[in-house]
Amino acid sequence: GQQLNQSPQSMFIQEGEDVSMNCTSSSIFNTWLWYKQEPGEGPVLLIALYKAGELTSNGRLTAQFGITRKDSFLNISASIPSDVGIYFCAGQLPKEGSTLGRLYFGRGTQLTVWP
Amino acid sequence: KAGVTQTPRYLIKTRGQQVTLSCSPISGHRSVSWYQQTPGQGLQFLFEYFSETQRNKGNFPGRFSGRQFSNSRSEMNVSTLELGDSALYLCASSLPGANVLTFGAGSRLTVL
Repeated sequence: GQQLNQSPQSMFIQEGEDVSMNCTSSSIFNTWLWYKQEPGEGPVLLIALYKAGELTSNGRLTAQFGITRKDSFLNISASIPSDVGIYFCAGQLPKEGSTLGRLYFGRGTQLTVWP
Repeated sequence: KAGVTQTPRYLIKTRGQQVTLSCSPISGHRSVSWYQQTPGQGLQFLFEYFSETQRNKGNFPGRFSGRQFSNSRSEMNVSTLELGDSALYLCASSLPGANVLTFGAGSRLTVL
């Protein structure tokens, strides 16, 4: 199956610091999504990206769809304690564009924020 | 607007038993997908249903099956449970034509 390489695996940062994580793939994706999962819950969508080069913000979060269509990154500025959780990237292959439910996920970045 | 509802939230089974998990999508969402989440393998696609038809299937053995009803609600079944089936099973729904999945909280299955 498709492999999405997400890094870093974990991050321990102090409140107020900026965070950056990224995802790379050997395949071209036509959609990149970023989700956050908290304990006992399912993943919650943070940002969706649909075009190469697209840069999209959601509050303190900013994500970009790489120009090669094989990568994406997520930045969190001025982190706060409630940012704690696991962040997942997910992508959809072009040939599966008509089948919306199949996403390929990265292994996640566990974020810990110290007050 | 209610989100994706999964039941039961937690269940414990023994090897060899079978289990049925239920998912009610967001009202108006007709596509339902299922994922298995484990620490070792991460999030793995099981299958997707749209208008009561299976549209896509991941690389899981035939013990894993699903169906969708006319009201878009979906169930998945795992027969002859194995220890390795212990996982969080996530259901997600989406609007037709939308590239975004909304996930439920999951059903955590423990196989003893």
